Amino acid sequence: EADIYQTPRYLVIGTGKKITLECSQTMGHDKMYWYQQDPGMELHLIHYSYGVNSTEKGDLSSESTVSRIRTEHFPLTLESARPSHTSQYLCASSDLQAFSYEQYFGPGTRLTVT
Amino acid sequence: SQQGEEDPQALSIQEGENATMNCSYKTSINNLQWYRQNSGRGLVHLILIRSNEREKHSGRLRVTLDTSKKSSSLLITASRAADTASYFCATGPQGGSEKLVFGKGTKLTVNP
Repeated sequence: EADIYQTPRYLVIGTGKKITLECSQTMGHDKMYWYQQDPGMELHLIHYSYGVNSTEKGDLSSESTVSRIRTEHFPLTLESARPSHTSQYLCASSDLQAFSYEQYFGPGTRLTVT
Repeated sequence: SQQGEEDPQALSIQEGENATMNCSYKTSINNLQWYRQNSGRGLVHLILIRSNEREKHSGRLRVTLDTSKKSSSLLITASRAADTASYFCATGPQGGSEKLVFGKGTKLTVNP
């Protein structure tokens, strides 16, 4: 099992609420990613980071924001949740110094916005 | 744009049988990876094959890559019920981009 953690695992929240999805890894990886995945569908990259103070938008437009103040921590925030944000959110990390390109995934947060 | 496309979308077999999943992609690649996802969980890396490799083995897994056809296959031999999961291929990173592009996956069910 990879040492990457996501909390909460499940979240049901009302429209308009602000939420933060937590992601932490203990592997010292520089690169971290957030993916959005609807049931039975492919993963879409929404944010990534090369290291502290680095954040980039991914391929899928997202109303969420991220921050990278510490190497091990890469939280994702939705300022005002909407039903269209209902999905599974997966956090991943990889080692910038390695050439294996393997990404390590957390267990995911399943978000439902009512 | 989607890069990897797995085929079939779903596969149901009996324990002990072999399972073959295919992945096609559109642009040139440096490497291709296969991941497994158990229901409601994150993805787990299975194997990476580089563009200059044609075949790679890892335990009961065998991956092939045909760059001329822009396709790869994942073979799981002597399948077990525990192999029940979705399997995704992913291409990249390349061209300075650090991103992986995932296909829609093949949902494999292994019946006991």
